[in-house]
Amino acid sequence: DAGVIQSPRHEVTEMGQEVTLRCKPISGHNSLFWYRQTMMRGLELLIYFNNNVPIDDSGMPEDRFSAKMPNASFSTLKIQPSEPRDSAVYFCASSPGHLQETQYFGPGTRLLVL
Amino acid sequence: AQSVTQLGSHVSVSEGALVLLRCNYSSSVPPYLFWYVQYPNQGLQLLLKYTTGATLVKGINGFEAEFKKSETSFHLTKPSAHMSDAAEYFCAVSDGGYQKVTFGTGTKLQVIP
Repeated sequence: DAGVIQSPRHEVTEMGQEVTLRCKPISGHNSLFWYRQTMMRGLELLIYFNNNVPIDDSGMPEDRFSAKMPNASFSTLKIQPSEPRDSAVYFCASSPGHLQETQYFGPGTRLLVL
Repeated sequence: AQSVTQLGSHVSVSEGALVLLRCNYSSSVPPYLFWYVQYPNQGLQLLLKYTTGATLVKGINGFEAEFKKSETSFHLTKPSAHMSDAAEYFCAVSDGGYQKVTFGTGTKLQVIP
């Protein structure tokens, strides 16, 4: 099994630019999660999907952030426009079904906004 | 509402010594409890989890945790620390159903040779 795949692994961009992070969950998994990790705030859940439907986006910091899951094998997290305070490691995770099941994390995308 | 508290953001132990990482939770229903580990520059991976049944849960790499309802605790232990155990450890709780999993703030474990 390939595990959760995230791209790109590293992204450096300038303030104001659009950033798109991509995630391919493990095949057969029904739930997908986007997290942000920083030294100051730790691990934060941004949004999660179940069966491609957004269930809870209360963790999305502001309207500059948006997430989509057009099908069971692909999700994107977009930041437009990006700001330096968005610099963080963004993780995607998937789980087989119910939310209490094990989450499988991708390797993360390290984002630096200059 | 569910929550989890990890006592100590940094813990240092000598190689071969007992590892004890503390986790207390708050939940309105019987919880699902997890410990995840994060090695440098990697994503989180599951160490062990408690759902129902036996309260002493064994995980990978020699770690185990005991669910103590009366103390609302789920502490992580390992009898003998190894250098490769140096990582950050996250406790997490879920009330089940459609409640999301809530992660603690993490404890960084340093193993001193």
